[in-house]
Formats: sequence, structure tokens, C-alpha cells
Amino acid sequence: NAGVTQTPKFQVLKTGQSMTLQCAQDMNHNSMYWYRQDPGMGLRLIYYSASEGTTDKGEVPNGYNVSRLNKREFSLRLESAAPSQTSVYFCASSEAGQGYGYGYTFGSGTRLTVV
Amino acid sequence: AQSVSQHNHHVILSEAASLELGCNYSYGGTVNLFWYVQYPGQHLQLLLKYFSGDPLVKGIKGFEAEFIKSKFSFNLRKPSVQWSDTAEYFCAAGSSNTGKLIFGQGTTLQVKP
Repeated sequence: NAGVTQTPKFQVLKTGQSMTLQCAQDMNHNSMYWYRQDPGMGLRLIYYSASEGTTDKGEVPNGYNVSRLNKREFSLRLESAAPSQTSVYFCASSEAGQGYGYGYTFGSGTRLTVV
Repeated sequence: AQSVSQHNHHVILSEAASLELGCNYSYGGTVNLFWYVQYPGQHLQLLLKYFSGDPLVKGIKGFEAEFIKSKFSFNLRKPSVQWSDTAEYFCAAGSSNTGKLIFGQGTTLQVKP
């Protein structure tokens, strides 16, 4: 089925460990996004990539890095995990420009716990 | 600064009751507005969106929203809720220039059968 695929679905890390969250979309969308969802705070944008080869910071980029590997894939890396990064992470994609009006397509999320 | 605010954090209704969830935004320039729904254990899905034209927009599953520019509001409504509407609802604002969406804090709706 067409859509956004995130891996892994669940992960437990120890403080200081690193990991990469993977995201891939097969809809030929130009733009991709990483959000984190925390109770009472909604979704906050971490990083986004308006098109292949470009990345920009969102609202809460500290502690994260991203790579837009190609048009399909957009990964999020935690270099040294902290308990404050315990959250549910969503990847999303959309058409660029006016096309984004069709809305984002979201992945199913990664539930990350840092102990 | 750009922001989206949802007034109600947790709403409890009985089946067949009417629903209105508030959303206010602060956004410079031309704004596009969205409502997303997240059912338990699932990812976000688009309910409806407003870009221009008729300020009353209709979405899926009987939901509608009204854009009131003077009040910077985009409230979500449904005349009669069902138990299956139990979910978390997010209002979002963005512009086609950047493609970025700013989300509100979310409203958890619990519908009692």
C-alpha cells in the first residue's frame, strides 16, 4: 500500500545511546517532515525537508540531526539520547507548494523511550 | 510568532450530542487551515481543510468547520457524535509557501455510548 513507512515502531534506549529513525515514502512527494508528539503539546516540528537535498530546522531541532538520503527517504538521528526525548515520533510527507493542500500523509509513528 | 491554540483539552460527550471544538490561530500572511484526527493507536488522518472560498468547509464523517477571519478561528463541528468519534483532534495552520504545518495542542474527545 502506498504511504509513509517508519521503522522501528518501538524502541527503548539508554541515556547517551544513539539511534536513527527511518522514514520512507512511495508517493513521489517532494516534502518530508519529522514531528514529535507529547501529551498536551500536540505535534512539534523537529526538522523538515522541502525538497531533495535540502533540510531546515523546525520548532525543536536541538539534539537531532536529519538526512534526506534521496527523494524517498528522510531519517532522523539522535546522537546522544536524553530522557527528554522520550516521545512518539511521526514522519510525514506532502506535495510541495500548492499541492500540499492535499494534506500530509503520516507514518504510523515510532514510540521511543529513553531511560 | 505563528501559533495554533485549541481551547478544549478534554471533552466528554454522550452519543448524539453536538460537538464544537475551538481553534484559534496566529499566522502572518495567507493561511491554510486543517483539522486532523488521530484514532487510538493510529496515525493522523486529514478530516478537512480550508484554503479559500466558502468559509464553511465539509469534511469526512459528517464533520465541518467554519473559518471566521475576523476572529482568527477555525472551529470544528459535528451535529451528532458517535462512539466511534472518540479520538484526538488537532487543528493545524500553514502556508503553501513553506509547506510547514503548525499544530495545536490537541483535544481529546471521549464519546460515551
